[in-house]
Amino acid sequence: AQTVTQSQPEMSVQEAETVTLSCTYDTSESDYYLFWYKQPPSRQMILVIRQEAYKQQNATENRFSVNFQKAAKSFSLKISDSQLGDAAMYFCAYKGRYGNKLVFGAGTILRVKS
Amino acid sequence: DAGVTQSPTHLIKTRGQQVTLRCSPKSGHDTVSWYQQALGQGPQFIFQYYEEEERQRGNFPDRFSGHQFPNYSSELNVNALLLGDSALYLCASSFASQPGNEKLFFGSGTQLSVL
Repeated sequence: AQTVTQSQPEMSVQEAETVTLSCTYDTSESDYYLFWYKQPPSRQMILVIRQEAYKQQNATENRFSVNFQKAAKSFSLKISDSQLGDAAMYFCAYKGRYGNKLVFGAGTILRVKS
Repeated sequence: DAGVTQSPTHLIKTRGQQVTLRCSPKSGHDTVSWYQQALGQGPQFIFQYYEEEERQRGNFPDRFSGHQFPNYSSELNVNALLLGDSALYLCASSFASQPGNEKLFFGSGTQLSVL
């Protein structure tokens, strides 16, 4: 079975600074997708960024980028120029290419200080 | 364009009771998945419905059942409620013709409290 581990229960960052959230996963599959989701107090899960395992190039979405290390099964999220609106719970998630479910980590609370 | 809508937003039940949660998928989506998110944890997959049938099920007991209607909306039913069923229940919709690269859209969830 696939597992996702987020070892940082909570992180803090100063506004305008950069922060990196860590995620490791375990799978025997070779083709899969990795995601970072943001869950603000409104509770709605919002997709931040997506990485396809067969692509070596790291995904980037504006201020959000990932460091995908397939051999190490590591998938970290870097948030640049942090903003107050980035404060939320962040979840790392895994999905097999032909699977139907997302497997989530336990989450990291991100606090942004002004 | 309405996103994924869930009802009710909050619900309080007593142990042993039964509950029904509802979900309307995003317009154009035909697949609905349900997740349970306990306090302080990540969501866990309950099951997924496509073409009115359960396509895959997670590690949840038979007390959890669901249904999908011809208009793609879905219900999650939980029988014989336990205290441990208290959680946020999230519904997510997607379009099945994007296999392997499904982009899930989530609702804001139903917060269920079992007393």
